[in-house]
Amino acid sequence: NAGVTQTPKFRVLKTGQSMTLLCAQDMNHEYMYWYRQDPGMGLRLIHYSVGEGTTAKGEVPDGYNVSRLKKQNFLLGLESAAPSQTSVYFCASSYTHPFQETQYFGPGTRLLVL
Amino acid sequence: AQSVTQLDSHVSVSEGTPVLLRCNYSSSYSPSLFWYVQHPNKGLQLLLKYTSAATLVKGINGFEAEFKKSETSFHLTKPSAHMSDAAEYFCVVSDPPYGGATNKLIFGTGTLLAVQP
Repeated sequence: NAGVTQTPKFRVLKTGQSMTLLCAQDMNHEYMYWYRQDPGMGLRLIHYSVGEGTTAKGEVPDGYNVSRLKKQNFLLGLESAAPSQTSVYFCASSYTHPFQETQYFGPGTRLLVL
Repeated sequence: AQSVTQLDSHVSVSEGTPVLLRCNYSSSYSPSLFWYVQHPNKGLQLLLKYTSAATLVKGINGFEAEFKKSETSFHLTKPSAHMSDAAEYFCVVSDPPYGGATNKLIFGTGTLLAVQP
């Protein structure tokens, strides 16, 4: 099993450009999450999904959109990138309650917005 | 609201010596607490979790943590550090603690552990 994979691993964008980050998991998990990690701030939840076709806002959703059209994939979109979105983005997945605290993380995507 | 505070941003130990990474939590009820580890350029991995069973929790790679309600602490320890333990460690609380589809993890700011030869 590949676990949780993320594409791309690294990307440089110019302000105003758009991009989509792809997360895929092969563990048949119901729940999926997108986090961003910034120095000195730990991980903050952007959006999450509790099942195919569902999405919900996390702690820092502004400037991002997500879609969960297939159970195994969770896409994070930036419509108009800003320098404040320079960060490392992590995708995670988990089983449903009561096991959702054990989250399985991907290797991350480093995004630099100039 | 639930929160965690990691008291040290950096900890440096020598190989073979004990490790102590400190975490305090804030909660209006009995929390579910976790430690996650992130090795360089990798995703996070669950190290151990406390969910109101035994207060001393054993995790992977010889780590353990003790839940102390009176001190609102959940410190991570290991008797003897190994070079491979060098990583960033995150103390995490579950919000809310007792399930529900919207149960989310709240991460501390992390402690970077360096292990000197």
